[in-house]
Amino acid sequence: GQQVMQIPQYQHVQEGEDFTTYCNSSTTLSNIQWYKQRPGGHPVFLIQLVKSGEVKKQKRLTFQFGEAKKNSSLHITATQTTDVGTYFCAGLNRGGATNKLIFGTGTLLAVQP
Amino acid sequence: DTGVSQDPRHKITKRGQNVTFRCDPISEHNRLYWYRQTLGQGPEFLTYFQNEAQLEKSRLLSDRFSAERPKGSFSTLEIQRTEQGDSAMYLCASSLGYFAGFQEKLFFGSGTQLSVL
Repeated sequence: GQQVMQIPQYQHVQEGEDFTTYCNSSTTLSNIQWYKQRPGGHPVFLIQLVKSGEVKKQKRLTFQFGEAKKNSSLHITATQTTDVGTYFCAGLNRGGATNKLIFGTGTLLAVQP
Repeated sequence: DTGVSQDPRHKITKRGQNVTFRCDPISEHNRLYWYRQTLGQGPEFLTYFQNEAQLEKSRLLSDRFSAERPKGSFSTLEIQRTEQGDSAMYLCASSLGYFAGFQEKLFFGSGTQLSVL
């Protein structure tokens, strides 16, 4: 079945440093979504990417969808303590018979002030 | 409507007991999903509904798990004869649906934390 992996599993940075998490799918995706889950909270939608090679920015966050639509990345510039949490990518399988999002394994970001 | 509601927030039960969780989605959302999450892992898909129809159930899901959405509004997830391995956070999410090949974003509830002793 479809698998979505993320690396790294955990990243600890000093406040102000940059952070990147990578998402890789075993199958081609029709689109990909990113969610953030604060400690003790539930996943909250950040963004959706649809087109091959698409790049979207939200303030200090930059999201990219690979040309082959099998990978994606999230880059945070100049991290802040409010960025702490687990970042998940979630993919929708292209051409699949069903329409469920498969979540990645997540990257936990810790930011030291 | 302030979002997706789940009840209870916490459930402690003894092994072998049955438990039922409830989810109230955002009122205009057609799709309702159940996911399970354990510590350090991503949400694992369990099942989803389009209105009252259950469209898919995970192949990994035991027959002890059943879900309903009788009137296309709230949903219940029942686990029969609970086992310690069922201990997890059970998350419900809803969305407007799937249009023109694109999945609408999911809105998650706060989850029900199940502990099986």
